[in-house]
This record gives sequence, structure tokens and C-alpha cells, in this order.
Amino acid sequence: DAGVIQSPRHEVTEMGQEVTLRCKPISGHDYLFWYRQTMMRGLELLIYFNNNVPIDDSGMPEDRFSAKMPNASFSTLKIQPSEPRDSAVYFCASSRGGDGNSPLHFGNGTRLTVT
Amino acid sequence: GDSVTQMEGPVTLSEEAFLTINCTYTATGYPSLFWYVQYPGEGLQLLLKATKADDKGSNKGFEATYRKETTSFHLEKGSVQVSDSAVYFCALRKGGKLIFGQGTELSVKP
Repeated sequence: DAGVIQSPRHEVTEMGQEVTLRCKPISGHDYLFWYRQTMMRGLELLIYFNNNVPIDDSGMPEDRFSAKMPNASFSTLKIQPSEPRDSAVYFCASSRGGDGNSPLHFGNGTRLTVT
Repeated sequence: GDSVTQMEGPVTLSEEAFLTINCTYTATGYPSLFWYVQYPGEGLQLLLKATKADDKGSNKGFEATYRKETTSFHLEKGSVQVSDSAVYFCALRKGGKLIFGQGTELSVKP
């Protein structure tokens, strides 16, 4: 079975531009997570979905960030407008179930650089 | 709120040395505990887990025991290899969310 697939692997954009990151979770997984990783703040949970419904978006830094999950096999994280401080690696993860017996499976991440 | 604290890195060891990476947590209730590993340029991979007190998770020679009395989940390996060089993350899961510690970088020298 294919793992979590993220695209693009790398994104370089100029400040003010719109950025869209994409994620395809593992088939059959009902939880999807977006994390951001930086040297300063480590791994931060931005938002997570259960059955395509956002459950907790308290980690979304500000209104410039939005995430959607239109169906069970696709999610997007959008930043509009982007700023240099958004530069980070963004990870998508999915799991089957939301309890402790259900580990998260991570994609390889999208490295975003905003100049 | 719930949180995880790991020992700071980087940790540098010689091959075949004994490894301990400390992890403590703060949480109400009974979270499940995990160790994830991240190799350069890759996403996180599950290394081991424990879902209740006194459980021992193990994988690839790594072990960790869920100690509720000390709220700890320390990672150990008896003999590290160069290929174990990576960043290790302790995490807890409760109510759907997975909360990570700050990560500990391990470097193993031949």
C-alpha cells in the first residue's frame, strides 16, 4: 500500500504569493493531520480532520492559513498571502482511528521557502 | 495542557555504546506514548509505542517502558550503530491529537 503522498516536495515562492500544499492520505485512514516543522518551534500540529471534518484547528497560526479536505483521499493546506516566516517543512500524516493503538503515518513533507 | 519534554541534544556516541534518551510527559488521563524517528530529508517513522502503564514497546533493538509513576517513557538501546543516527521524537496521543517533544538528535560515530 502506498504511504502518505505529499506534493510538491519543494516549493519556493515570493512573499505575498499564494501557496497550496497537497496531501493524499493512506486509503482507509479516517484521520488526517497537518504539522509544521521548524528549528525554532519543532513540530507543531496545525489542524486535524476526522472523516473529512476539521476537529481542531487551534494550531493554525492565523487567518492566512486554511485547510480543506473535500474527500477522504485529498487535503490541501493553503497560505495566502505567504510570508518569509512561513518557511518550514510541512508534514501531512494520517491514521486509522483516533486512539492510542493507531499510530500516525507521515508523508515525506513539503519544504517551503518564502523569499 | 498536555506536553512532552525530551532531553536536549545533540547526543554523540561511539558505535556500540549504550543509548538513553529521556522523555517525560504531562497529561491528564491515560495517553498512549510513542517514539518516532526522523532520518534526514524524510518524514517521521514510528519506532515503537506503549498504550498503558508498564507496557514495554520494542523495535529494532530499541526499548521504552511506560512508567506512570514517573510520567516517563525513556528510549534505550544497548548497542547503537552508525545507521541509528537520526532525530528521535517522543510523543503522546490523547483524544485524537499526537503531541511531540522537541526532538533529540543522535549522532553515532564509527
